[in-house]
Amino acid sequence: SQQGEEDPQALSIQEGENATMNCSYKTSINNLQWYRQNSGRGLVHLILIRSNEREKHSGRLRVTLDTSKKSSSLLITASRAADTASYFCATDGSNYKLTFGKGTLLTVNP
Amino acid sequence: DAGVIQSPRHEVTEMGQEVTLRCKPISGHNSLFWYRQTMMRGLELLIYFNNNVPIDDSGMPEDRFSAKMPNASFSTLKIQPSEPRDSAVYFCASSPGTADTQYFGPGTRLTVL
Repeated sequence: SQQGEEDPQALSIQEGENATMNCSYKTSINNLQWYRQNSGRGLVHLILIRSNEREKHSGRLRVTLDTSKKSSSLLITASRAADTASYFCATDGSNYKLTFGKGTLLTVNP
Repeated sequence: DAGVIQSPRHEVTEMGQEVTLRCKPISGHNSLFWYRQTMMRGLELLIYFNNNVPIDDSGMPEDRFSAKMPNASFSTLKIQPSEPRDSAVYFCASSPGTADTQYFGPGTRLTVL
């Protein structure tokens, strides 16, 4: 069964704006990860947040985690055209393997 | 490190033919994963290995699919016989441990005619 579900499915913004993507999951987790996939390429790891963390930053990325609501958000600030990609959240379930959501397609218009 | 290496990058074959996809994980990584990605179903985990041993193959669609990892530096995913519905991009990923950050290869785009 699918663990992570991203929302929205697609997001289109102008360069310089902030982009926020959300992820909801169903069962308890040890950590949650966000990945990016450019068209025709493999997934690239962006950031990992552990279940005992509430917020984490990496450059222009900010990730929050609310375990009580079983949700996470990824914020990209001051977006650039190069940020255009699909973004996936991945959670580890009881068997410790990662399960990926279907992703959010972000389009940043120049 | 060269990262995860997959071959071939593209494969076009006819229905009924055998297809073998290859993966070389990052040296020192203990876990290896095979995924399939389609527009309809998204990214699906097919099977994963830990220390060369298959741990969970519940995602393998059917008996036509098989995967092996004869040593720590090589894995194959075989489809025999192939069908048009197997057309997808197949990714291999490796990680230091099972739930750690995964490093993806560039994928193999398979088209079965």
